[in-house]
Amino acid sequence: KQEVTQIPAALSVPEGENLVLNCSFTDSAIYNLQWFRQDPGKGLTSLLLIQSSQREQTSGRLNASLDKSSGRSTLYIAASQPGDSATYLCGPSGGSNYKLTFGKGTLLTVNP
Amino acid sequence: NAGVTQTPKFRILKIGQSMTLQCAQDMNHNYMYWYRQDPGMGLKLIYYSVGAGITDKGEVPNGYNVSRSTTEDFPLRLELAAPSQTSVYFCASSYGIDTGDTQYFGPGTRLTVL
Repeated sequence: KQEVTQIPAALSVPEGENLVLNCSFTDSAIYNLQWFRQDPGKGLTSLLLIQSSQREQTSGRLNASLDKSSGRSTLYIAASQPGDSATYLCGPSGGSNYKLTFGKGTLLTVNP
Repeated sequence: NAGVTQTPKFRILKIGQSMTLQCAQDMNHNYMYWYRQDPGMGLKLIYYSVGAGITDKGEVPNGYNVSRSTTEDFPLRLELAAPSQTSVYFCASSYGIDTGDTQYFGPGTRLTVL
């Protein structure tokens, strides 16, 4: 059974700082891994998807890496802004139904 | 495209009542999913469907039922509501064709059972 752990559970940083969010998973037989952002009371917004054959993906100030063999992914956010404040969830996808398994997320607060 | 839509946004039920959570997508996706999210926890899969007429259980299916008569719609039915079903329910969809397919999520339905 896939289990996902996200560290840290919460992170508070000053505006402009670069930061890294960590995700680890127990079953390396995944198709891909998605990083999502969730604002309070809202749904999940997909940020990046890394396929199992890829090492990293970039979108603007976001860079996600994947080391499938060690069961780890990181989300790097450059030059953080207050608007980046949200909960970040990682979800590896596996099985015949491509289902996502989620960790509890990292609550990020970027202070002006 | 509206993407994935869910209704209602909020609902309060009494113990033992029934209701249906609606989910629709207009992206012609084959795969649809229902997840629940309890406070401070990650999402857990309730049911999923790989196409019209085909559904299967996820991790936490007890107390729920689903049907998929069309590609677009995937309603979730609660027959006898219990306080343990108080949660936020998310519907998601994807093509499910290859490893590059993104899952798209709806805005969620916040359900309270009293």
